[in-house]
Amino acid sequence: QVQLVESGGDVVQPGGSLRLSCAASGFTFSTYGIHWVRQAPGKGLEWVALIRYDGSKEYYADSVKGRFTISRDNSKNTLYLRMNSLRAEDTALYYCFAFTDSPHWGQGTLVTVSS
Amino acid sequence: EIVLTQSPGTLSLSPGESATLSCRASESVSSTFLAWYQQKPGQAPRLLIYGASSRATGIPDRFIGSGSGTDFTLTITRLEPEDFAVYFCQQCGTVPLTFGQGTKVEIK
Repeated sequence: QVQLVESGGDVVQPGGSLRLSCAASGFTFSTYGIHWVRQAPGKGLEWVALIRYDGSKEYYADSVKGRFTISRDNSKNTLYLRMNSLRAEDTALYYCFAFTDSPHWGQGTLVTVSS
Repeated sequence: EIVLTQSPGTLSLSPGESATLSCRASESVSSTFLAWYQQKPGQAPRLLIYGASSRATGIPDRFIGSGSGTDFTLTITRLEPEDFAVYFCQQCGTVPLTFGQGTKVEIK
């Protein structure tokens, strides 16, 4: 079955950087666009970014544009999110999300931006 | 972007009662890409319904999704104690993906 496993979350100071990973299995990774979605503590869900199946195009929420970069390695079935210039408001659980024949989520990885 | 508005914000019900949750979209959403989730504190969203009306694996038949276009409904018949949680809808057919703000189903 489809599995998405996020990793890389940590506590980081404002202005710092972090790279998240999402390891995928159970489906043909290289044929699907994959998203990052986040949820701040006590808040609703917010879409962050999408990368097309072949990595040819990326889309970003305005709140992260210019600071975050989504990428993928189809040979490793892995999605990444490089986060630079982190702010307190980036504190959240970060999920990867894929729609194959139905929606699939990982369990999330926690990013805390705090001094 | 497609805005999803859920109502009511909170439903206060007793176990055994039925709950009707609404999700209204600002523009038409393909049923294929409309999903409902349950979320409890500290947990990832749990997929209940996808394709507007298909139950996810392991979801009891008391969870019923319906609707099309701009109006979608999640009905929970015969509420069980474990059903008291936050529910939200999602459209994943158009970027940006968007989510309803959630309906909290609480014990009366």
